[in-house]
Amino acid sequence: AQSVSQHNHHVILSEAASLELGCNYSYGGTVNLFWYVQYPGQHLQLLLKYFSGDPLVKGIKGFEAEFIKSKFSFNLRKPSVQWSDTAEYFCAAPQTTDSWGKLQFGAGTQVVVTP
Amino acid sequence: GAVVSQHPSWVICKSGTSVKIECRSLDFQATTMFWYRQFPKQSLMLMATSNEGSKATYEQGVEKDKFLINHASLTLSTLTVTSAHPEDSSFYICSAKTGWLAKNIQYFGAGTRLSVL
Repeated sequence: AQSVSQHNHHVILSEAASLELGCNYSYGGTVNLFWYVQYPGQHLQLLLKYFSGDPLVKGIKGFEAEFIKSKFSFNLRKPSVQWSDTAEYFCAAPQTTDSWGKLQFGAGTQVVVTP
Repeated sequence: GAVVSQHPSWVICKSGTSVKIECRSLDFQATTMFWYRQFPKQSLMLMATSNEGSKATYEQGVEKDKFLINHASLTLSTLTVTSAHPEDSSFYICSAKTGWLAKNIQYFGAGTRLSVL
């Protein structure tokens, strides 16, 4: 079964700093990979997804993620963060190739952007 | 984008009572809905998968008699926490996906905070 690990549980950075959040998955078959964001008091929203093709995926709000198959990684990046990026970020992948729809979430990374 | 409505957003109940949480897909038909539980400062834990017109599939360790799931239509799934106890207090989140073409994309409700006194 899939396991998803996120390297950082808590990140604090200043506005305009660059952000990179690590995510590693364990299952090596064909994978779909996701980053979700949960702003304070709001529901989870899809930031971006990878299914196939270009390993550099662009999402909403200036975020991008790079799928590196050899490293089983799908790290999230943003060149210059804003205060409004304060949120919890979750990486996710299907539990197995035949678990169609069932997602395994990482533990989440709480990002706090200070003015 | 697709919208999933979850109701209520917050409920407080006495120990021993049952609570029903509704999850509706507002602008699409959800062939599959999922129910998660999220503990403070922790990730989402999948509780069960609900397909319209069939019995829900529960994850290991989730009591199906305590957490009753009904997916009566393509736009509505309900989670009933029966005989709730303080340890059931948590944040419950539903999500929905449209079908195999959706390629695992789930749309999430805003969640329901359950407090059992």
